[in-house]
Order: sequence, then structure tokens, then C-alpha cells
Amino acid sequence: ILNVEQSPQSLHVQEGDSTNFTCSFPSSNFYALHWYRWETAKSPEALFVMTLNGDEKKKGRISATLNTKEGYSYLYIKGSQPEDSATYLCAFYNFNKFYFGSGTKLNVKP
Amino acid sequence: GAGVSQTPSNKVTEKGKYVELRCDPISGHTALYWYRQSLGQGPEFLIYFQGTGAADDSGLPNDRFFAVRPEGSVSTLKIQRTERGDSAVYLCASRSSGTGLTYEQYFGPGTRLTVT
Repeated sequence: ILNVEQSPQSLHVQEGDSTNFTCSFPSSNFYALHWYRWETAKSPEALFVMTLNGDEKKKGRISATLNTKEGYSYLYIKGSQPEDSATYLCAFYNFNKFYFGSGTKLNVKP
Repeated sequence: GAGVSQTPSNKVTEKGKYVELRCDPISGHTALYWYRQSLGQGPEFLIYFQGTGAADDSGLPNDRFFAVRPEGSVSTLKIQRTERGDSAVYLCASRSSGTGLTYEQYFGPGTRLTVT
């Protein structure tokens, strides 16, 4: 079983704050890392698929970086808004299987 | 187009009963995944289908769990002799290719199973 860890477990920020979370994964046999956003009562939604060391992806105020050599990825949210409140999951892809972290639950207060 | 759908959205059953959970993937997606998500945890891999065949069922916890995808589209997860520990959200996801690294998963809304 591959170990994928996310930190922090939960985060409470004020509207307008910028924030970031970490996903740690095995640095060997890397294929891809996925980030998902999961809002309450909705389906998990894909944010980014990252495959190359040094990858940086951006979607609006959300961006992500990838370091496959040391086995971590950061997700950044600039100027958090209440609608960003959700659980953010990372998933390590290996031999057709996805290994998920436990997620970071973000709560943005207006 | 339509996304991934799952039925039922909620299922309450008594310990020892049999349940079936259904997943309708996005049309044309060949890869289909089942996950189980317990409170406070991330989704846990159960089984992966490529077409009609189960390419990897190593995540099924025991022989009470079984899944089928007879025509390469709809899949059914079957749980026999349910136990209280089976209570969880069961998620289904599909992908357009089973081997493409960049293809993302599209998730259904999940089925919340409660075993009393």
C-alpha cells in the first residue's frame, strides 16, 4: 500500500487570505498526481493532473506545483473566497490505481 | 453531456442483508473505478475495470464484495451479508482511457450506505 499524506488536516482562513496545502507521496515509480476538490453534497471535481517534475498548473486563483524527486506537491489558493470551502484531495497514480490522501478541509470565513 | 451517476444516493440496510450499488459512467469511458470513503479518510480503491473485465480487484476487502460490468458500461457493486463496518460512501469514477496518464477521473455523487 502506497502512503499518501496531506497536511494540514483542516484549515480555517478569512476571506481574502492566501493559503497552501501539502501532499506527500512516494518519490519512486512516479506516474502522475491528481488534485481534486470535493464540496459537500457534490462529486469530487478534478483540478489538476500533474505528470512532470517541476510542473506548475494554474486555474484561476488556484495553482499547484510538483516535485517528484522529493515526493511532494503544493496547492495554493490566492485570495480565498467562501466558495473555495471544500475538501482538497490529492491522488497518486500508480499502475492504473489511485492512492488518495485523507484530504485537507478548507473553511473560508466571510 | 451527462456525468457519472450513481443509484441509490442513500441506502439503509440491516446487518446481514445483500445490497447492490449501481454506477452509470460517462458514455465512451472505458475505465471505471469503485472507491469506498469512510469518515475522515480519503477514497480507498476497491476495483478497476477496463472495458468489461476487472483489471485490478486487489482493493476489495473480502469475498463479500463483488463487482461486475457485463457490457462495459454500467457497473454494479454487490455486497453480501453486510456488516456495520461496511457503512461508508461508495464512489464511482470513470476515465476516458485506462492507460493515459493525463486523463482525469470523473466522479459520481456517491452512494451513502448505512448498515444498522
